[in-house]
Amino acid sequence: GNSVTQMEGPVTLSEEAFLTINCTYTATGYPSLFWYVQYPGEGLQLLLKATKADDKGSNKGFEATYRKETTSFHLEKGSVQVSDSAVYFCARRGGYNFNKFYFGSGTKLNVKP
Amino acid sequence: ETGVTQTPRHLVMGMTNKKSLKCEQHLGHNAMYWYKQSAKKPLELMFVYSLEERVENNSVPSRFSPECPNSSHLFLHLHTLQPEDSALYLCASSPTGRFTDTQYFGPGTRLTVL
Repeated sequence: GNSVTQMEGPVTLSEEAFLTINCTYTATGYPSLFWYVQYPGEGLQLLLKATKADDKGSNKGFEATYRKETTSFHLEKGSVQVSDSAVYFCARRGGYNFNKFYFGSGTKLNVKP
Repeated sequence: ETGVTQTPRHLVMGMTNKKSLKCEQHLGHNAMYWYKQSAKKPLELMFVYSLEERVENNSVPSRFSPECPNSSHLFLHLHTLQPEDSALYLCASSPTGRFTDTQYFGPGTRLTVL
């Protein structure tokens, strides 16, 4: 089975609301963790990443902290905008098999004005 | 042109056709990847090439045949596909094959198999 689990969508929020998209992973060793975003009609773009425990990745107002004790990498943003509407993918890579790259199933975010 | 480009952007083919997807990266990277993105399923890694050698093949059917002639180009040759192979095929590249690398994705090829 997939070793990255993220909350099912769609998530619908009003503009300026607080966003959390949960992501947990299973892995041996010390994987790197990523959040990717996919806007309509486009490929995936890296949003942020963290390569070791307690690292915080941040970009465009989004943040996620690598929590090894809870095997989590939740995505947060304090105030979402309509332009944040997209599909967000959590991913992990590495551990003892560095070639493996696992993605979650994606969470669609709809932000209403 | 910069980044990762893929052609064609859309492809419709019959089950007996032979076609190829092309990916080109202008980032000077040494690793390239093919992914399959199906509706409501996690992104699936198909192939990994590092320094033009295939280092990962995630049990992909032989009707998909990758080719990496150099570190800037990656092809996916398609032959006798099935309707369930209809999906978005994404190419990505990264500086090396290390797990800390960021992968950079192309826009994808939307494939429909009739």
